[in-house]
Amino acid sequence: EIVMTQSPATLSVSPGERAILSCRASQSISSRLAWYQQNPGQAPRLLMYGADTRAPGVPARFRGSGSGTEFTLTISSLQSEDFALYYCQQYDDWPRTFGHGTKVEIK
Amino acid sequence: QLVESGGRVVRRGTSLRLSCATSGFTFRDYGMHWVRQCPGKGPEWVSGIDGKGAITGYADSVKGRFIISRDNARNSLYLEMKSLRVEDTAVYYCARDPGSGGMWSVRWFDPWGLGTLVTVSS
Repeated sequence: EIVMTQSPATLSVSPGERAILSCRASQSISSRLAWYQQNPGQAPRLLMYGADTRAPGVPARFRGSGSGTEFTLTISSLQSEDFALYYCQQYDDWPRTFGHGTKVEIK
Repeated sequence: QLVESGGRVVRRGTSLRLSCATSGFTFRDYGMHWVRQCPGKGPEWVSGIDGKGAITGYADSVKGRFIISRDNARNSLYLEMKSLRVEDTAVYYCARDPGSGGMWSVRWFDPWGLGTLVTVSS
């Protein structure tokens, strides 16, 4: 199965600053990558698909990029509601697999 | 909206049935899935079913022990779990395939429910 590796595990950022999250696939997945955001006690929320397409309602400060095995989620100016857990997920092959997540915390 | 229920503390080797009640969309038009999250780990796809209930799929870790089903008249999804193991301890989410009524065609999952906690004790 395709292993998804996210880094860093925890990212400490001040409000208003930029956060850069990485996701690496163990083999090429083209652009078949989704990103999710999860706040404590809440359901995971779809942020991005196709590596760089924002889901409806997702603010423009979220930007996804990458293809092949290396992907990045950039949050340009962190707002209070952005401090959360973020997961990547590949849909190139079965089983669909997720990364272990990056926690974005307030510095 | 997706609302899971049925999670609780159970002993190893026993069975449990999870339910997911849905609303706000035409349930039969969408494939549905169960995704779980074990403590401290990333999400793991568990099982999926197409809109008609005819095609199902399972992760190797649960194949032969879990059965997914749906009742389109009740807009509900189910997961029958048997021979539970300690490693099945997780929050179980139901999630929709937003793109189709198939099972194997799912790309991403949207939306997800809030989840229900299953704890398997030894």
